Amino acid sequence: DAKTTQPNSMESNEEEPVHLPCNHSTISGTDYIHWYRQLPSQGPEYVIHGLTSNVNNRMASLAIAEDRKSSTLILHRATLRDAAVYYCIPQLGNTPLVFGKGTRLSVIA
Amino acid sequence: AAGVIQSPRHLIKEKRETATLKCYPIPRHDTVYWYQQGPGQDPQFLISFYEKMQSDKGSIPDRFSAQQFSDYHSELNMSSLELGDSALYFCASSLRTGRWAGELFFGEGSRLTVL
Repeated sequence: DAKTTQPNSMESNEEEPVHLPCNHSTISGTDYIHWYRQLPSQGPEYVIHGLTSNVNNRMASLAIAEDRKSSTLILHRATLRDAAVYYCIPQLGNTPLVFGKGTRLSVIA
Repeated sequence: AAGVIQSPRHLIKEKRETATLKCYPIPRHDTVYWYQQGPGQDPQFLISFYEKMQSDKGSIPDRFSAQQFSDYHSELNMSSLELGDSALYFCASSLRTGRWAGELFFGEGSRLTVL
């Protein structure tokens, strides 16, 4: 499995953009890069995934480095509801998601 | 829209007792996953089923077993409970699409407390 490195914690002001980095230097060419988040007292929630190209959806954007050894999850305007632990998870094919340590994002009003 | 349903939401057991958790995946999803999340820990993968067959196995203790039934619901059976089994147990389901496992939808979890 590809190993990931994420900051333990980050802080953002409300309504400002947030860039959450992830290093996955051992990722293989066919590993999808997933991001999930877990809000307090809830189950994890899918945010976005990608393979090689940058991706956008209603929740966030995912910027994937050209060498695929790192990626950045971008929340365009952080809200208080975005306070959560964010997990970057490389996944090989249909193998189960393995959650690492994640980044705890705090949003300040 | 229908979500993943888990029951019971809360369960209190004594040491050495048994417990059974149930999971009802989203209709037409073909894969079910079980995760365990201890206090202050990250979710740990236990086991998964694809089309009712065991697919992958993670850090599931030998005291635990699971199965998926013909109606696609799944049950996690835990025996000889230990204090360390106290945790939130999440079930998730997904629909595989080609090489991608699909978006995992998680239930609200079952909180097991072992006294």
